[in-house]
Amino acid sequence: GAVVSQHPSRVICKSGTSVKIECRSLDFQATTMFWYRQFPKQSLMLMATSNEGSKATYEQGVEKDKFLINHASLTLSTLTVTSAHPEDSSFYICSARILSQGGDYGYTFGSGTRLTVV
Amino acid sequence: GQQLNQNPQSMFIQEGEDVSMNCTSSSIFNTWLWYKQDPGEGPVLLIALYKAGELTSNGRLTAQFGITRKDSFLNISASIPSDVGIYFCAGQPMEGGGADGLTFGKGTHLIIQP
Repeated sequence: GAVVSQHPSRVICKSGTSVKIECRSLDFQATTMFWYRQFPKQSLMLMATSNEGSKATYEQGVEKDKFLINHASLTLSTLTVTSAHPEDSSFYICSARILSQGGDYGYTFGSGTRLTVV
Repeated sequence: GQQLNQNPQSMFIQEGEDVSMNCTSSSIFNTWLWYKQDPGEGPVLLIALYKAGELTSNGRLTAQFGITRKDSFLNISASIPSDVGIYFCAGQPMEGGGADGLTFGKGTHLIIQP
């Protein structure tokens, strides 16, 4: 089945530094990927939609200058948390929708990245 | 924005019991999905529903997409210890042609007592 690989799984960084999270589609091409954030004991909230070759679309309230998204190829999207602060500590998850001539195979998620800012 | 109301928030059941959870919305969704999430992991797809009224099974799991496209339920029969986790409903908006991300319910935390 289609796999979305997300790295790193855990990262601890100092306040003020930047962190990059990668999301790769391993055996399919994803023109669109989605980035979610999940705080402890809460649901997943869509942050932005990453589009290959064009600018990302951000949800209301998400700072585009703080959460930089790059989707330079059909198999890789990256999320960079710039000048991270403790309140950015969260579980970040990427996702891709799998559409092919054979049909709609739904949304597949990465395994998530636990970011802790100290 | 669109919201999914998921109930119950948590369930404490005995092993072997059947489980039922549901989601409702005031908005219409094109696709309705049920996911399970284990601690520290991303959600894993359980069942996807595409047609209004569709009833789909996956092993001990059964889910139905409401005829109005505004609600869905998930049933788990004869629960086992590995069913423990958080279950999320998620909807893909009617518009957008697949370019929109999902809206998630708040989750149902299933706890099974031996």
